[in-house]
Amino acid sequence: ETGVTQTPRHLVMGMTNKKSLKCEQHLGHNAMYWYKQSAKKPLELMFVYNFKEQTENNSVPSRFSPECPNSSHLFLHLHTLQPEDSALYLCASSPSGSTDTQYFGPGTRLTVL
Amino acid sequence: GNSVTQMEGPVTLSEEAFLTINCTYTATGYPSLFWYVQYPGEGLQLLLKATKADDKGSNKGFEATYRKETTSFHLEKGSVQVSDSAVYFCALSSEVKAAGNKLTFGGGTRVLVKP
Repeated sequence: ETGVTQTPRHLVMGMTNKKSLKCEQHLGHNAMYWYKQSAKKPLELMFVYNFKEQTENNSVPSRFSPECPNSSHLFLHLHTLQPEDSALYLCASSPSGSTDTQYFGPGTRLTVL
Repeated sequence: GNSVTQMEGPVTLSEEAFLTINCTYTATGYPSLFWYVQYPGEGLQLLLKATKADDKGSNKGFEATYRKETTSFHLEKGSVQVSDSAVYFCALSSEVKAAGNKLTFGGGTRVLVKP
C-alpha cells in the first residue's frame, strides 16, 4: 500500500502546452523527490526537496519547474516540452535521513506530441 | 561518482526455480543499499535494504547481503512464483547536502516467471 498519490495518471500534451503534475504524500515525511523513468534508461533523479527547500537539482532543463508549497505536496510544472520528455514521472517521499526508505507514487505517464 | 550495475534482462524462468539478480556498485563512503520492485503499471516499492557491510536484508522470501569486499548486493529467491514477475531495481543512497537521500539506480532487470 502506498501513501503517495500522483495525478493525473496519464497526460498527453502538445509542445506548446502548459501542464502540472501533482504529488501528495500522507506519510508525514519531510523529503520529496521527482524522478524520470524513460524506456531503456536508468531511473533519473530530477529534484529533491527537504522541509520545502530544494536541495538538489540534477541539471534538469528549465522547462521543468518544481514547486513544494508544503511538506505534503509537490508539483512539477511543465511548459514547452519536447517529445523526448515523454516518460513516466515518479514522485517519492522519505522521512529525511540518508538511510531512509523512499516511498514511491504510481507515476504519471506523460506523452508529448 | 556513484553508480550501480545490474544484470540486463529479461530473465525468464519457471515457477519454483531459483532466482539470482546480480548487482554491483561503485560509491564513496558507506552507502545504504536497496532493492526495489516495480509491478506492471505501478510505482516502485521497497523490497529490502541493508545499511552496513555484512547486513542481510530479507522480505517475501527474497534476500540480499551487503558485501563490501566485492561491492555487491545480489538478490536471491529460492523458489519464485508467477506473482514475482516484475522489474527489479538495485539502488544505493548517498546523503544530499542538507538531508534526505539521493538514490542512484541500476538499469532494472525484468523478471518473467512462467507457470
